[in-house]
Amino acid sequence: DTAVSQTPKYLVTQMGNDKSIKCEQNLGHDTMYWYKQDSKKFLKIMFSYNNKELIINETVPNRFSPKSPDKAHLNLHINSLELGDSAVYFCASSQAPWGGNYGYTFGSGTRLTVV
Amino acid sequence: DQQVKQNSPSLSVQEGRISILNCDYTNSMFDYFLWYKKYPAEGPTFLISISSIKDKNEDGRFTVFLNKSAKHLSLHIVPSQPGDSAVYFCAGKESGGGADGLTFGKGTHLIIQP
Repeated sequence: DTAVSQTPKYLVTQMGNDKSIKCEQNLGHDTMYWYKQDSKKFLKIMFSYNNKELIINETVPNRFSPKSPDKAHLNLHINSLELGDSAVYFCASSQAPWGGNYGYTFGSGTRLTVV
Repeated sequence: DQQVKQNSPSLSVQEGRISILNCDYTNSMFDYFLWYKKYPAEGPTFLISISSIKDKNEDGRFTVFLNKSAKHLSLHIVPSQPGDSAVYFCAGKESGGGADGLTFGKGTHLIIQP
């Protein structure tokens, strides 16, 4: 039973398309996140969300939008995909907004390739 | 501006010896530091963390040391085992505000040689 699961694992799409990546966690965590690992291997936070608040990293283009139908899900929608969006996207969750000693639990990643 | 730096892209250690992975940071607002391990095609897995008010935290074969004055931390793995071969990420968490996420270093690829 995967704690944080993302689908799809691989996604190849053309420029200009709109796509979504789904994320679900069964840990009962309060907060979920989206991270992007770019070609230089840096893992950077894009969003954090709990049932009260969405916090957006200011560097994220507004073509990216998280959608949370409930506490266990945080999906990532991307409009008008660009070549530079190609990366691995990781979903994560934590028990408290601050992560703390428990760390953050990550999904296995979605490799997005825009052609 | 890299707030978390892992200056060694890779490190090769013989099985049974000690592995020492280093990490430097610039953000004084970090209140926790975490180490993650990542295998290919998998997400990062939490290993160990340390609060900024401590200088050492130990969990089995893993020990993290924090030197706040030098803004430096290190992860010691002893003894090193073949399954430890992976990419290790150092991360800092800023107290309050922001997206409340982690700021990661670029990672160090640890290779354990038999």
